[in-house]
Amino acid sequence: DGGITQSPKYLFRKEGQNVTLSCEQNLNHDAMYWYRQDPGQGLRLIYYSQIVNDFQKGDIAEGYSVSREKKESFPLTVTSAQKNPTAFYLCASSIVGGGTYNEQFFGPGTRLTVL
Amino acid sequence: AQKVTQAQTEISVVEKEDVTLDCVYETRDTTYYLFWYKQPPSGELVFLIRRNSFDEQNEISGRYSWNFQKSTSSFNFTITASQVVDSAVYFCALSEGRDDKIIFGKGTRLHILP
Repeated sequence: DGGITQSPKYLFRKEGQNVTLSCEQNLNHDAMYWYRQDPGQGLRLIYYSQIVNDFQKGDIAEGYSVSREKKESFPLTVTSAQKNPTAFYLCASSIVGGGTYNEQFFGPGTRLTVL
Repeated sequence: AQKVTQAQTEISVVEKEDVTLDCVYETRDTTYYLFWYKQPPSGELVFLIRRNSFDEQNEISGRYSWNFQKSTSSFNFTITASQVVDSAVYFCALSEGRDDKIIFGKGTRLHILP
């Protein structure tokens, strides 16, 4: 079955540590995204990538880093510079182009808690 | 600037009642796309519908229907004969299609009471 996988589902980290969240898709989508969701808030875009080896900052990129070495994978690193990292993180992917804008498909999310 | 407003933070209705979730958007572009997503308790967002700005036809899919009105910049979502399984957070979203980014509203949490 095609889809997006995120691991782990729950992640605990000590303050001051970097942590990497995994996102893999087998939908053959060109674009991938990372969002952060806080309670009672909508989704806020952290980073996105429309093609391998290229990515752009979203609205809240500070304290985060990404890489896109393979089409299928878009890992997100939450660095110690992120002041309030406890949140629910969602990865998404979509087809690019075709003269329209295509819907994004989401993974199950990773809930990160900083202790 | 893009903006999506979902004024209803939380709604509770009794099962089998109809319920409408409001969405108002702002954009300066003539070409844009609107979306609705459902987020059940599991957390994963589920795509429900996409609409482009040139298609104002209302759409019905089973118990779900959408009313797109450009004159009032609204894209409202109605669930008819609600069921407990409809309980979720629903997000309205907007894209101008330039850079494959979409802006989400803050969501409406819907409780369907048995």
